[in-house]
Amino acid sequence: AAGVIQSPRHLIKEKRETATLKCYPIPRHDTVYWYQQGPGQDPQFLISFYEKMQSDKGSIPDRFSAQQFSDYHSELNMSSLELGDSALYFCASSHTRGLDSPLHFGNGTRLTVT
Amino acid sequence: QKEVEQNSGPLSVPEGAIASLNCTYSDRVSQSFFWYRQYSGKSPELIMSIYSNGDKEDGRFTAQLNKASQYVSLLIRDSQPSDSATYLCAVFGSSNTGKLIFGQGTTLQVKP
Repeated sequence: AAGVIQSPRHLIKEKRETATLKCYPIPRHDTVYWYQQGPGQDPQFLISFYEKMQSDKGSIPDRFSAQQFSDYHSELNMSSLELGDSALYFCASSHTRGLDSPLHFGNGTRLTVT
Repeated sequence: QKEVEQNSGPLSVPEGAIASLNCTYSDRVSQSFFWYRQYSGKSPELIMSIYSNGDKEDGRFTAQLNKASQYVSLLIRDSQPSDSATYLCAVFGSSNTGKLIFGQGTTLQVKP
């Protein structure tokens, strides 16, 4: 079965650079979520989209922005990168925004800021 | 107080034993609860979902939900070394928002 696809898998950037992470949800999934997971920490919710509109916002820095496109893929744009942004970034998708719609996660993008 | 709390462990059980993982949540009107398994450096993998009070069984896994006590648990029967991972409890809030909140995870070690 098709899964959530994230690219790139690994990304190395320097401080103050920008990065763009991409997420392709499972076909027919209309809701996308972004999470950040630091070493030894639980996934922290950043932002979500439903039908191309922002649905909810978590602990996403103002330096980050995201959007969902007409084909439902999503991109997370990160500017003025800081060392503390080094983490695993997961995208997840669900069939609807309903409370009984489990999230299915992609393999993540490991971002390293040097 | 974190919205979703778990004992970080590690929880160590011998192969073939029952592993019991626990989770409490703070939002009394939360409606949807999930257990994810995460291997180191990998993505969370959905194991179980539960929405109603009581037990739900799927193979070696049983999820238990008690909304009055704001408590959800996961039992793993006949634990295998391959079950060694971090188990994340996750809860959707009371409103229909796009925000699934995770606990800090419990590390399970199954010893051969």
